[in-house]
Amino acid sequence: DAGVTQSPTHLIKTRGQQVTLRCSPKSGHDTVSWYQQALGQGPQFIFQYYEEEERQRGNFPDRFSGHQFPNYSSELNVNALLLGDSALYLCASSYGTALTYNEQFFGPGTRLTVL
Amino acid sequence: QQQVKQSPQSLIVQKGGISIINCAYENTAFDYFPWYQQFPGKGPALLIAIRPDVSEKKEGRFTISFNKSAKQFSLHIMDSQPGDSATYFCAASKSNDMRFGAGTRLTVKP
Repeated sequence: DAGVTQSPTHLIKTRGQQVTLRCSPKSGHDTVSWYQQALGQGPQFIFQYYEEEERQRGNFPDRFSGHQFPNYSSELNVNALLLGDSALYLCASSYGTALTYNEQFFGPGTRLTVL
Repeated sequence: QQQVKQSPQSLIVQKGGISIINCAYENTAFDYFPWYQQFPGKGPALLIAIRPDVSEKKEGRFTISFNKSAKQFSLHIMDSQPGDSATYFCAASKSNDMRFGAGTRLTVKP
């Protein structure tokens, strides 16, 4: 079992550009959550996908959007990049949406740098 | 909108010592309180977790103490080892929403 995988590992973009990050969940998991982790900070919840729909959203602007595919993999899209979007983007998967009862497994993250 | 406050930011402990990290939360609706361990270049990994119906949970060298009335919980690492050197995050969750603390960088000196 490869666990949660994310691609790419690192990415450098310029302000105003758009970026797509990808996540494959752990085998058997059907729910994907995305987090933004700024340097020296804890992860901040962006949104959660289940059954190809966004189920919960954190305090992030509409520039952040996502998608979940029938095979449960997911994409995070960020439009009109700002310098402040530079961070480690973490994907976590679980079986079911209730994080109180279903352990989340995190991927290694994608390091996004916006210049 | 920080809902989980964590302290200290950094901690240095001698090998064999006790490491203590504290967290406080605001929302009484939270019903699950995990601790995550993160090594450089890796995603966070669940270390230990507690629900508010118990006051303490122990797994090996790791113990969570939970004070519901004070809305505080803490992680104790007994007999700290150099391999425990990592960043530790507390979190609080309700349903499908999880909020993390800012993290504590632990260094265990040999």
